[in-house]
Amino acid sequence: DTEVTQTPKHLVMGMTNKKSLKCEQHMGHRAMYWYKQKAKKPPELMFVYSYEKLSINESVPSRFSPECPNSSLLNLHLHALQPEDSALYLCASSQEVGSPGLMNTEAFFGQGTRLTVV
Amino acid sequence: DAKTTQPNSMESNEEEPVHLPCNHSTISGTDYIHWYRQLPSQGPEYVIHGLTSNVNNRMASLAIAEDRKSSTLILHRATLRDAAVYYCILIKAAGNKLTFGGGTRVLVKP
Repeated sequence: DTEVTQTPKHLVMGMTNKKSLKCEQHMGHRAMYWYKQKAKKPPELMFVYSYEKLSINESVPSRFSPECPNSSLLNLHLHALQPEDSALYLCASSQEVGSPGLMNTEAFFGQGTRLTVV
Repeated sequence: DAKTTQPNSMESNEEEPVHLPCNHSTISGTDYIHWYRQLPSQGPEYVIHGLTSNVNNRMASLAIAEDRKSSTLILHRATLRDAAVYYCILIKAAGNKLTFGGGTRVLVKP
């Protein structure tokens, strides 16, 4: 099973709502990632989890709150978002972090959650 | 961090080879060269990677210049399914950041 599964596929939320995005992988990967992708732009890294601990936060606003409850699951909690946060949110996983890291392996991406904030 | 430069777009005819260039003139000795592609309405997918030697796999070939300042992804026979944005990415030794640049949008004409 080389799948990264993201749910829901689509989400519409109001600016006062609280919602969560979910990502799951069963490949035994110990690194998991959240990316944000606006239309016609490349994905932008938001967070990296390594062995269920947050290792990189790319200065993401606190209205985005990641959580890694176990090695297979990654959540992104959303609260008080703005319309400009509407985007495709991608989750990815890879086998290793630290040494040798991503350099000699591949990352697997989910199909994303398309988020619309109204 | 070293940067990559790719053409914005390229066109190819179906069943012809496609050569996608990537310039990385400030690459360091321990940076690996990775290629990912993103098909329409999908997440990115891994294509190939290498350090110094040319590499082949079932999807593509990667040709790396001797001075490592540039590389070329080669799709040997483009199909309509190969229409995607192709990203050339440098990854540091022991790095765990996959940072996407602008990429090249490939259009395959029947």
